Amino acid sequence: DIVMTQSPDSLAVSLGERATINCKSSQSILYSSNSKNYLAWYQQKPGQPPKLLIYWASTRESGVPDRFSGSGSGTDFTLTISSLQAEDVAVYYCHQYYNGPFTFGPGTKVDIK
Amino acid sequence: EVQLVESGGGLVQPGGSLRLSCAASGFILSDHYMDWVRQASGKGLEWVGRIRNKANSYTTTYAASVKDRFTISRDDSKNSLYLQMHSLKTEDTAVYYCVRVDLHSSSWYYWGQGTLVTVSS
Repeated sequence: DIVMTQSPDSLAVSLGERATINCKSSQSILYSSNSKNYLAWYQQKPGQPPKLLIYWASTRESGVPDRFSGSGSGTDFTLTISSLQAEDVAVYYCHQYYNGPFTFGPGTKVDIK
Repeated sequence: EVQLVESGGGLVQPGGSLRLSCAASGFILSDHYMDWVRQASGKGLEWVGRIRNKANSYTTTYAASVKDRFTISRDDSKNSLYLQMHSLKTEDTAVYYCVRVDLHSSSWYYWGQGTLVTVSS
């Protein structure tokens, strides 16, 4: 199974400042035939299902603010919130959908400092 | 508008059975792979299993933690997805979500609101 790890477990950032979350997979999730990394980022707020922010490691889902960006390839990935807003307080998960069993990182809780 | 609505959750004793349903609307269910994902209270997300589309013979795969106890099925004519759960354990207590797999990107954009399963005596 592909194990997903995230760091940090939690972080507190001032409004308008940058938040960076790291995600690592235990093996490459780069699909050679199409050069796509099968890595997604989700935002989850209490009582709600996860919301897809980024797929293919760096493709922003339609309607997602451009302050959210994803980067990385192979086994190392990053979600960046360039200017944290109050509505961004949530738990963020990375997720590999390269190979079953599909697995998630443990989550990173983002709060306002 | 795509909608996924789960139902069938509730309280069940350890060792019992429960069947969850997911009503799909706003898209052609038969085209899509569908997944179940669960989340225990205050915990992370855990993939439960997948059922592929008709073109892929409706094959299924499961997480090791539920294999041989859970069965995913679908009735495309009724726009419905199912999760039959047997031999339930306390650790199966969670909110269960049905999820649509995107045809192009394989990403998981559409999620239901979830249904709570509580396994307790």
